[in-house]
Amino acid sequence: QKEVEQNSGPLSVPEGAIASLNCTYSDRGSQSFFWYRQYSGKSPELIMSIYSNGDKEDGRFTAQLNKASQYVSLLIRDSQPSDSATYLCAVNILNSGNTPLVFGKGTRLSVIA
Amino acid sequence: DADVTQTPRNRITKTGKRIMLECSQTKGHDRMYWYRQDPGLGLRLIYYSFDVKDINKGEISDGYSVSRQAQAKFSLSLESAIPNQTALYFCATSDPLSRNTQYFGPGTRLTVL
Repeated sequence: QKEVEQNSGPLSVPEGAIASLNCTYSDRGSQSFFWYRQYSGKSPELIMSIYSNGDKEDGRFTAQLNKASQYVSLLIRDSQPSDSATYLCAVNILNSGNTPLVFGKGTRLSVIA
Repeated sequence: DADVTQTPRNRITKTGKRIMLECSQTKGHDRMYWYRQDPGLGLRLIYYSFDVKDINKGEISDGYSVSRQAQAKFSLSLESAIPNQTALYFCATSDPLSRNTQYFGPGTRLTVL
C-alpha cells in the first residue's frame, strides 16, 4: 500500500509569516512530487512540482524534496489570507509503471489577518 | 474556455435513480480519472483510463461504472444511487510526458436523497 501522509491541520499562521507544510511518503521508488491548492468547494489547482532533491522556488512558494528521508515540504513566504486553503501533496511512482498519482488527505492552512 | 469541463455542476437526485456525470477535455491528454471527495477523507480514486480501450478500477469502484467514449470524453455512472454516494466528484486528466501531472475539472456536487 503506497501512502502519502500529511498533518490534517488546521495550521494557523499570522499574515506575513512563513507557512510550512509537510508530506511524507512510503515508497522509495517515488520520482515526482506535486503540491496542489484547493479552496473550499473548488477543484485542486497545481501550484508546484519537484523532481530532484533540494529546493525549487516559484514566487512566494518553495518546494523542498529529500528523497533519502522520504519527505517533501512546501514553504509559503509572506503568507496572505488568500493563501487560506487545503494543500494536497501528491506523489507519482514512475518505477512501478502506469499508476495514477497518490494523494495525501491534505493540510488545511489558515492565515490570520 | 476551461480545459476540463464537467456536467452537471450540481445535481440532486433520489435513492435508486441512475445518474451519469460527464467529463470532457480539450487538453489532448490520453489519461483520464474520476475521483470523489468527502470531508476528511481526501480524494479517492474511483476509475481511471489510460486510453480509449483501457479502463481500470480505483480504490472505491463498487456502485460505479464508467465509459470512455472518445479520447476527450469519460463518463461516470451511478447505476442505482444511494445516499452515501453524496459527495463532490472530480474528473482529471494527465499526460505521461509531464510525469503524470494531473489537471482537474471544476467538480460536480451530487446529493442523493
